[in-house]
Amino acid sequence: SQTIHQWPATLVQPVGSPLSLECTVEGTSNPNLYWYRQAAGRGLQLLFYSVGIGQISSEVPQNLSASRPQDRQFILSSKKLLLSDSGFYLCAWGIAAPLTVGSRGQFFGPGTRLTVL
Amino acid sequence: DAKTTQPPSMDCAEGRAANLPCNHSTISGNEYVYWYRQIHSQGPQYIIHGLKNNETNEMASLIITEDRKSSTLILPHATLRDTAVYYCIVRVATGSQGNLIFGKGTKLSVKP
Repeated sequence: SQTIHQWPATLVQPVGSPLSLECTVEGTSNPNLYWYRQAAGRGLQLLFYSVGIGQISSEVPQNLSASRPQDRQFILSSKKLLLSDSGFYLCAWGIAAPLTVGSRGQFFGPGTRLTVL
Repeated sequence: DAKTTQPPSMDCAEGRAANLPCNHSTISGNEYVYWYRQIHSQGPQYIIHGLKNNETNEMASLIITEDRKSSTLILPHATLRDTAVYYCIVRVATGSQGNLIFGKGTKLSVKP
């Protein structure tokens, strides 16, 4: 069965410090991978998605970046964190092939709660 | 992807059916209706999806109107653990991105 891992679960970082959040998926090949952010009391915002190794699409311009060094690894980074980067970061994976009625869409990891002070 | 409209909050008594509405009046013929829920401090969880026929699984039932402009998610016997934010999303099922656009959802509170 497929599983998705994220770490760390929680993180407290000072303003201006770098960031690296990691997401890995097991049990599937060539998945689409996604990074979302959820600010306190708000809905999920898609940040990045990737359809393959080295292929990253950004949905929202910001000081974050994403990389996909391996098929099932997705990394979210920042060189200098801002206070506004605080939030709940979620990684998700989905089937890359054209979807069918049987597709269940996307599967989410447990999330990383980031607090920037 | 089409926009959806959901009530911001709903209450439901434990053991009763919870009926969560969603309007998607601009839905296209190739767009599916998906429902996810997010329990506090967890990632969203897939519940059910459908195109035009009503669907049922172990978690819920999805009723889609004949004109497909609205749908209702039904939790037949709500429990306290069903307290969560429920998101209705319409999306194209073909293509490689399959991006989900989450709105604010409906916060369902199941009360004893």
